[in-house]
Amino acid sequence: GAVVSQHPSWVICKSGTSVKIECRSLDFQATTMFWYRQFPKQSLMLMATSNEGSKATYEQGVEKDKFLINHASLTLSTLTVTSAHPEDSSFYICSALQLAGASYNEQFFGPGTRLTVL
Amino acid sequence: QKEVEQNSGPLSVPEGAIASLNCTYSDRGSQSFFWYRQYSGKSPELIMFIYSNGDKEDGRFTAQLNKASQYVSLLIRDSQPSDSATYLCAAGFNKFYFGSGTKLNVKP
Repeated sequence: GAVVSQHPSWVICKSGTSVKIECRSLDFQATTMFWYRQFPKQSLMLMATSNEGSKATYEQGVEKDKFLINHASLTLSTLTVTSAHPEDSSFYICSALQLAGASYNEQFFGPGTRLTVL
Repeated sequence: QKEVEQNSGPLSVPEGAIASLNCTYSDRGSQSFFWYRQYSGKSPELIMFIYSNGDKEDGRFTAQLNKASQYVSLLIRDSQPSDSATYLCAAGFNKFYFGSGTKLNVKP
């Protein structure tokens, strides 16, 4: 399968600071990437859909001014958590969409970034 | 978010038995269905995907899809202790929503 990387794999920051997470598709071009958040013992919650060259589409309840998404190229999407607070501590996972056929698409996940806000 | 429902478990099966995991989804527009395995603290890894009604087999895994009933399942034959993990069902097309996951315990 295709490879998606994320950086950093973990980050600890102070409350009020901003944190940027990068998601890269290494061996294919991804016009669409997704950002998920996962709290302990919970499932993945889709935060937003990131489209290359256009504004991200946010899911209901996700603050777009707090979670800034930039998809500047076909292989890179970034998520910036602005003015992070302890409740933003979570496992952030990106995925890249690969168009596999007329009937289905496949998504490949990055390894995740664990954010801890003190 | 679109609803994808799974029994949270835990589902306990003895080694060598068949584990049956179930999932229902609410969005009839969903065309792609995925089963992922997730170990604690790790990112999900793809087990299988299915997009046509019926069964799809890959080794010890069989995915079953019934679009009329909005139901998708995963069967794991000859379950091994290493299969113990949380299994996530996802449904969608241009974007995907996940169920809450079913925790599977395979006892030696």
